[in-house]
Amino acid sequence: GENVEQHPSTLSVQEGDSAVIKCTYSDSASNYFPWYKQELGKGPQLIIDIRSNVGEKKDQRIAVTLNKTAKHFSLHITETQPEDSAVYFCAASKVSGGYQKVTFGTGTKLQVIP
Amino acid sequence: EAGVAQSPRYKIIEKRQSVAFWCNPISGHATLYWYQQILGQGPKLLIQFQNNGVVDDSQLPKDRFSAERLKGVDSTLKIQPAKLEDSAVYLCASSSLPDSAYEQYFGPGTRLTVT
Repeated sequence: GENVEQHPSTLSVQEGDSAVIKCTYSDSASNYFPWYKQELGKGPQLIIDIRSNVGEKKDQRIAVTLNKTAKHFSLHITETQPEDSAVYFCAASKVSGGYQKVTFGTGTKLQVIP
Repeated sequence: EAGVAQSPRYKIIEKRQSVAFWCNPISGHATLYWYQQILGQGPKLLIQFQNNGVVDDSQLPKDRFSAERLKGVDSTLKIQPAKLEDSAVYLCASSSLPDSAYEQYFGPGTRLTVT
């Protein structure tokens, strides 16, 4: 099955700096890569996603890049703010048995220091 | 639009006891998922329903876990008997289309502690 690795497991940055989280996947059939933010005591929330036919996508301070050849994708957060502090999960999604199946990474705990 | 509701939010039981979790998805969402999230790890899919039928339960420990989704709306997940390693947060999610698994909306989860 699909295996998604995520690094780093923890990341501390000063407010205003950038943060980068990297993920790799193993199954070339994966065609969709969402990123989730999970705040304490809450369920994960989709923040941005990218399809396999796109190399980069940006939404305000958040951007994702995808390298299909190398099977890796990254989340970039610029001008970080304290409210960005949370656990971030990458995921890889593919069709299995006629349905999309999502495999999550292990998570990155981001701390933005004011 | 109301979100995914789950109850209880917290549960503490002793090993070998039974426990059940309840989930009410977003109205109109046909696909429902149960995930297990162990501390420090990403969510792991336990079971996926399309309406009231199971489409994926390959990672569900069927000797102790069971789930049902009656009438294609609410769902319950049961563990019987519980083991220490079942301590985790159990997340319920829903999506409107079966091929839109990425557009999942998660509930707040139920934190289970098995002592």
